[in-house]
Amino acid sequence: AQKITQTQPGMFVQEKEAVTLDCTYDTSDPSYGLFWYKQPSSGEMIFLIYQGSYDQQNATEGRYSLNFQKARKSANLVISASQLGDSAMYFCAMSDFKAAGNKLTFGGGTRVLVKP
Amino acid sequence: SQTIHQWPATLVQPVGSPLSLECTVEGTSNPNLYWYRQAAGRGLQLLFYSVGIGQISSEVPQNLSASRPQDRQFILSSKKLLLSDSGFYLCAWTRWRGSHNEQFFGPGTRLTVL
Repeated sequence: AQKITQTQPGMFVQEKEAVTLDCTYDTSDPSYGLFWYKQPSSGEMIFLIYQGSYDQQNATEGRYSLNFQKARKSANLVISASQLGDSAMYFCAMSDFKAAGNKLTFGGGTRVLVKP
Repeated sequence: SQTIHQWPATLVQPVGSPLSLECTVEGTSNPNLYWYRQAAGRGLQLLFYSVGIGQISSEVPQNLSASRPQDRQFILSSKKLLLSDSGFYLCAWTRWRGSHNEQFFGPGTRLTVL
């Protein structure tokens, strides 16, 4: 069974600084995908970034980058130059490509509060 | 473009009452569809998913059920709500992005059972 762990329940970050959100995962399957989602107070889930287990390079999407360390089974999200609008819950998730239905397993989330 | 709708946005129901939440997707055909529940301050828990009309897979035993009467319609139901059914219910669908499937979420329904 897959498991996603986010050990930081909440974090403060100063505006314009970078922040790293931790995510570790556990799976016995060699083929999987890792996702990060942002959930603002409105509740919508916003896709941020994806990393495939066979991708050689770390994924980047604008101010978001994923620090993928396969041997350590970690997929940390780095947000550079934090903005006030980055205040939200952030969820790490994993998809097992062998399982039917492309299901996602989510971590418990990390709440980020950006201070001006 | 593809969009996903959920109805209603908020709902307050008494214990023991029935429930029907609706999710519809536009701009795509034969999508995989999912129902998730999120308790306050927690992560998302997958409840049901469907790979086609009439095909429902249940992930967690509970007093909820799901149905997919049409290709782009996914319904979450209960005959008798429990207090523990309170939460934020999110519908999602997957879209192929060239190298992987990506899940996109609807706006959610906030359910309070009193």
